[in-house]
Amino acid sequence: EVQLVESGGGLVQPGGSLRLSCAASGFTFGSNWMTWVRQAPGKGLEWVANINFHGSETHYVDSVEGRFIISRDNAKNSLFLQMSSLRVEDTAVYYCARLMVRWPPTAFDYWGQGNLVTVSS
Amino acid sequence: QSVLTQPPSVSAAPGQKVTISCSGSGSSFESHVSWYQHPPGSAPKLLIFESIQRPSGIPNRFSGSKSGTSATLAITGLLAEDEADYYCVTWDSSLRAVLFGGGTKLTVL
Repeated sequence: EVQLVESGGGLVQPGGSLRLSCAASGFTFGSNWMTWVRQAPGKGLEWVANINFHGSETHYVDSVEGRFIISRDNAKNSLFLQMSSLRVEDTAVYYCARLMVRWPPTAFDYWGQGNLVTVSS
Repeated sequence: QSVLTQPPSVSAAPGQKVTISCSGSGSSFESHVSWYQHPPGSAPKLLIFESIQRPSGIPNRFSGSKSGTSATLAITGLLAEDEADYYCVTWDSSLRAVLFGGGTKLTVL
């Protein structure tokens, strides 16, 4: 059974940093692109970043480019999102998700339960 | 700037059919569309990928179509459990970015 379990969320002050993790199991982790998607309170879903099989290709939404880094450790079946220079508007539930082996990279077939990040002073 | 536009809300009675539209602009509709169901308090679920394909386990009450710069999700035989937010998603090849529509709230009357 495919499982994705996020961790690392919490309360952080504006300008601070936080690292989210996503532990994957039930599939060959290195065979799929992975993604982070977020939902701010009262708002819709927003894509944050994608990463390819080996971590050599990454894509970001403009609003996090230069502040967030998506990475992965295939040996540990783990996905990460390093978030820096956090802003109040980054407050959201963050989901990790697996991409189907399809193009374009928009078919997210398994999702984690979500992890809340709150940026507030 | 690419944008995906969805109606904010739709509603229909149990057993009826509802359609949710998703219109694109810019380079956002050169690629296939995916659709997601997001019930409150749960993780999103993939309903449709490559504009018309259903993942295993998704009932054929859900169907997708795409024509030009618009896509449509149709749900037939509405059930109370279908009440959720629905999102269309595509890839903007110019921006190298994933785009989510604004979401549509489905109310089953």
